[in-house]
Amino acid sequence: AQKITQTQPGMFVQEKEAVTLDCTYDTSDPSYGLFWYKQPSSGEMIFLIYQGSYDQQNATEGRYSLNFQKARKSANLVISASQLGDSAMYFCAMREGQGAQKLVFGQGTRLTINP
Amino acid sequence: ETGVTQSPTHLIKTRGQQVTLRCSSQSGHNTVSWYQQALGQGPQFIFQYYREEENGRGNFPPRFSGLQFPNYSSELNVNALELDDSALYLCASSPLAGGFAGELFFGEGSRLTVL
Repeated sequence: AQKITQTQPGMFVQEKEAVTLDCTYDTSDPSYGLFWYKQPSSGEMIFLIYQGSYDQQNATEGRYSLNFQKARKSANLVISASQLGDSAMYFCAMREGQGAQKLVFGQGTRLTINP
Repeated sequence: ETGVTQSPTHLIKTRGQQVTLRCSSQSGHNTVSWYQQALGQGPQFIFQYYREEENGRGNFPPRFSGLQFPNYSSELNVNALELDDSALYLCASSPLAGGFAGELFFGEGSRLTVL
């Protein structure tokens, strides 16, 4: 069974600092994808970054990067130069195989950026 | 803005009633999936529709049902509402039913309260 674990319920960071949000996953499928989404108070899930299990390099999207350690089954999100607008819930999610577009989400981490 | 719109944004029902939630997918997306997000939890996959057929379902009872229309818009129907059905219901669309199409595009959700 799939499982996503986010062990940090809340994180507090000073503006302009970098922050790492942890995510570990469990799957027996060799083909999978890992996602990070941001959810502000409006409720919409905003896609941040994607990493495929066969990708050789860590994914990067602007200030977001994914620290993918396959042997450890971890996919941590790194946000560089944090901004006040980064305050939100962050969810790690996984999709197995190439079938239905089913994502399994973790419990989320609430990130608060302090000025 | 993801181009995925959901209605209504908020609604209140009583136990035993039925509810219909609507989703308009992003243009060109032929796959839609629905998620339930209880307060303080990550979203949980309900089901997915591709070309008007259900082609993936999570661990939800049959009283959760759906439809996808030829224009790829979708409905989620929940019968015999229970208190635990209170949640944010998220619709997501993507351009492909299978394969790693990258991200899913989520709407802002419909917040259902069951009294």
